[in-house]
Amino acid sequence: NAGVTQTPKFRVLKTGQSMTLLCAQDMNHEYMYWYRQDPGMGLRLIHYSVGEGTTAKGEVPDGYNVSRLKKQNFLLGLESAAPSQTSVYFCASTTGHSYEQYFGPGTRLTVT
Amino acid sequence: GEDVEQSLFLSVREGDSSVINCTYTDSSSTYLYWYKQEPGAGLQLLTYIFSNMDMKQDQRLTVLLNKKDKHLSLRIADTQTGDSAIYFCAEILPTRSARQLTFGSGTQLTVLP
Repeated sequence: NAGVTQTPKFRVLKTGQSMTLLCAQDMNHEYMYWYRQDPGMGLRLIHYSVGEGTTAKGEVPDGYNVSRLKKQNFLLGLESAAPSQTSVYFCASTTGHSYEQYFGPGTRLTVT
Repeated sequence: GEDVEQSLFLSVREGDSSVINCTYTDSSSTYLYWYKQEPGAGLQLLTYIFSNMDMKQDQRLTVLLNKKDKHLSLRIADTQTGDSAIYFCAEILPTRSARQLTFGSGTQLTVLP
């Protein structure tokens, strides 16, 4: 039982490049979330999903897209990376019956 | 308002108690959480408290909730160097769907030998 895993762990992009971050969970959780963490600002919700095929915007969705084609995977896409998207990205998941979110180890992204 | 506020830094001596404070502005919060983040790692849930409780104790951790003042605190007894980390307070608001968490900015706890 690996819990929540994220790929990749580190990435450096140039401005304008695109990339996809992968989150996978093996706990059969319905709800999945993408957060970004910036110094002194805590974690902010980017997008979330309450089930396969559904996504919704969080607090800071601009510049990101997501997809949930399979229940166990939640993808976060950056179509045209900007330096303001330099951050640490965390994925989390939970069941519809729980109030505990399980977090992945994070992806550190630098956009130059 | 939906802001969760924490002081940014706290230093304590090894063996002393640590108290990390958090204030929230929305009285309709249902669950309130404390997460721990060690360097380079994800967030680990330490404990949570439901809004109809005043206190919760779990080994060295004590959570106190003062709903009147919208104040949440985390006390760590006999603080050890392994407790050095960032501690986040977070809340769930019933007005938000899908159990969305709103986080504070985090308190960096440094334990001095």
